Amino acid sequence: AQSVTQLGSHVSVSEGALVLLRCNYSSSVPPYLFWYVQYPNQGLQLLLKYTSAATLVKGINGFEAEFKKSETSFHLTKPSAHMSDAAEYFCAVRRANQAGTALIFGKGTTLSVSS
Amino acid sequence: DGGITQSPKYLFRKEGQNVTLSCEQNLNHDAMYWYRQDPGQGLRLIYYSQIVNDFQKGDIAEGYSVSREKKESFPLTVTSAQKNPTAFYLCASYGRNTEAFFGQGTRLTVV
Repeated sequence: AQSVTQLGSHVSVSEGALVLLRCNYSSSVPPYLFWYVQYPNQGLQLLLKYTSAATLVKGINGFEAEFKKSETSFHLTKPSAHMSDAAEYFCAVRRANQAGTALIFGKGTTLSVSS
Repeated sequence: DGGITQSPKYLFRKEGQNVTLSCEQNLNHDAMYWYRQDPGQGLRLIYYSQIVNDFQKGDIAEGYSVSREKKESFPLTVTSAQKNPTAFYLCASYGRNTEAFFGQGTRLTVV
């Protein structure tokens, strides 16, 4: 079975500080991994995805994530936080090479950014 | 523009009533999914459909029903058997690439 664990339900940073949101996954097959962002009362927007190509993945809005197989991790980072980054972030895993298989989501991390 | 449309955005239901949430996509995707979101619990899979006229239960299907008569449409009915229906409901679709595309959600409240 596959699963995702997001460490820390709430992360607070100051504007301009490093953002680090942690995600660990469990999968018996090579995974596809995703980070999504959600603003209040809206749907989810894809930030970035790992699909077995480069292990360092760059996404939108300056975010990036690194796939580390040995650590089963896919942490999300951004060098300098902006007020507009305040939102809820979800890590998700999908079984590779199986079209139509549902994403399995972590419970989410709420990012707060203070001025 | 291609995308997924959920309607209505807000929905109120009296106890004992069935309500249907609409999800339409024009992305030509085969697979569609319904998720339920509650604070602190992430997204939980209710039902999914990989092809027209076929669908499967997800992790929390009790009290819900779906149909998939057209590729573009995957409506979700919340029945009176669902004991705690107040939640945010999200519809998603997948194409032949790897990521899911989400609608803007429907917030259902029991009054």
